[in-house]
Amino acid sequence: GAGVSQSPSNKVTEKGKDVELRCDPISGHTALYWYRQSLGQGLEFLIYFQGNSAPDKSGLPSDRFSAERTGGSVSTLTIQRTQQEDSAVYLCASTPRPNGYTFGSGTRLTVV
Amino acid sequence: SQKIEQNSEALNIQEGKTATLTCNYTNYSPAYLQWYRQDPGRGPVFLLLIRENEKEKRKERLKVTFDTTLKQSLFHITASQPADSATYLCALGLGLTGGGNKLTFGTGTQLKVEL
Repeated sequence: GAGVSQSPSNKVTEKGKDVELRCDPISGHTALYWYRQSLGQGLEFLIYFQGNSAPDKSGLPSDRFSAERTGGSVSTLTIQRTQQEDSAVYLCASTPRPNGYTFGSGTRLTVV
Repeated sequence: SQKIEQNSEALNIQEGKTATLTCNYTNYSPAYLQWYRQDPGRGPVFLLLIRENEKEKRKERLKVTFDTTLKQSLFHITASQPADSATYLCALGLGLTGGGNKLTFGTGTQLKVEL
């Protein structure tokens, strides 16, 4: 597709459940990023994939969070045993080189 | 500690005027700085990138300046229109030797252009 696609667009889950968020980057973009944005907050870096290099996981807030990128394309962000403080918009972005990111529209996660 | 500050209060201006948004940072040595626009319920949209060795960048009605001595970037929208109303985010990148293309974002400034 022409842009970064994220699914689902909205997700409501019960506290303690696991969730998976999906990101389809732009074809050919070697770098993929996950950020989250809480209400009234800036974008918080979570994890960064660049080609075949080991991902930069320095922003993951706890070991309940993990992400993988299969075949250098689609990425899945998994949150285990969700907590209410995990409620946020999770944004994925991709870029072919050091330049502006192309963001998806995000997944709004609500943990009840 | 590292900090990126943008005007937390919304900026209201009249149509046709120039909007100026500020981004200040401390304890960073960015290789480049980017500006994004974000509309409600949408992901940010890239507008401009300016590198540390550039003073000014223009794109249509947009102008960005970057002063590494003052540790500040200014973002200008000339001849503003109601359609320019959105939240504008600045983001710093440390470059390939500082974490790749990972960006650190400010919290954004909401701009409202009134008729």
